[in-house]
Amino acid sequence: GNSVTQMEGPVTLSEEAFLTINCTYTATGYPSLFWYVQYPGEGLQLLLKATKADDKGSNKGFEATYRKETTSFHLEKGSVQVSDSAVYFCALLSTGANNLFFGTGTRLTVIP
Amino acid sequence: EAGVAQSPRYKIIEKRQSVAFWCNPISGHATLYWYQQILGQGPKLLIQFQNNGVVDDSQLPKDRFSAERLKGVDSTLKIQPAKLEDSAVYLCASSSTGGQGGRSFFGPGTRLTVL
Repeated sequence: GNSVTQMEGPVTLSEEAFLTINCTYTATGYPSLFWYVQYPGEGLQLLLKATKADDKGSNKGFEATYRKETTSFHLEKGSVQVSDSAVYFCALLSTGANNLFFGTGTRLTVIP
Repeated sequence: EAGVAQSPRYKIIEKRQSVAFWCNPISGHATLYWYQQILGQGPKLLIQFQNNGVVDDSQLPKDRFSAERLKGVDSTLKIQPAKLEDSAVYLCASSSTGGQGGRSFFGPGTRLTVL
């Protein structure tokens, strides 16, 4: 079946620190992989995606590389800002499926 | 471009009462989803519509949950009667396609508390 395992939070970092949020997945076929972000009081927003192995998704300084050999899609950012404080969800869309499977989410708090 | 609208934003009810949520998707989006997000978990799909037809409702507890999408636009999700374990955020999302790689746009959600 399909599943997504995310690094448990919460994660607290100082401004300008390096961020990694781990995500691994189990899926049939060749899924597309996504990171969604949920800022306080707002709905889920797509942050980035990758649709095939070795693809790198990037947006707003965040990036994640689709690693088929390790079934991973870790989210990274070189220098976080206070405005990056949010909950981050890793998700997959498996081959032939119609809907997203989400991880449990990781809450990030960045302090000045 | 207007986003996905949901109402109400918050609802508190007692167990065994009924409740309904409303969603207005992005104009022109054929696919509409309802997700349930329990505290500390990721969203879980309840039902997916393509226009006004149901594509997937395998995770919908049909003894108490129902949903409809009249005219392929707005949608309502109803719970009758509610249980304590239904306390969650109910998210509506829409996309222009339902297929592989399609991007879903999410509404702000309705936070339901069942006492």
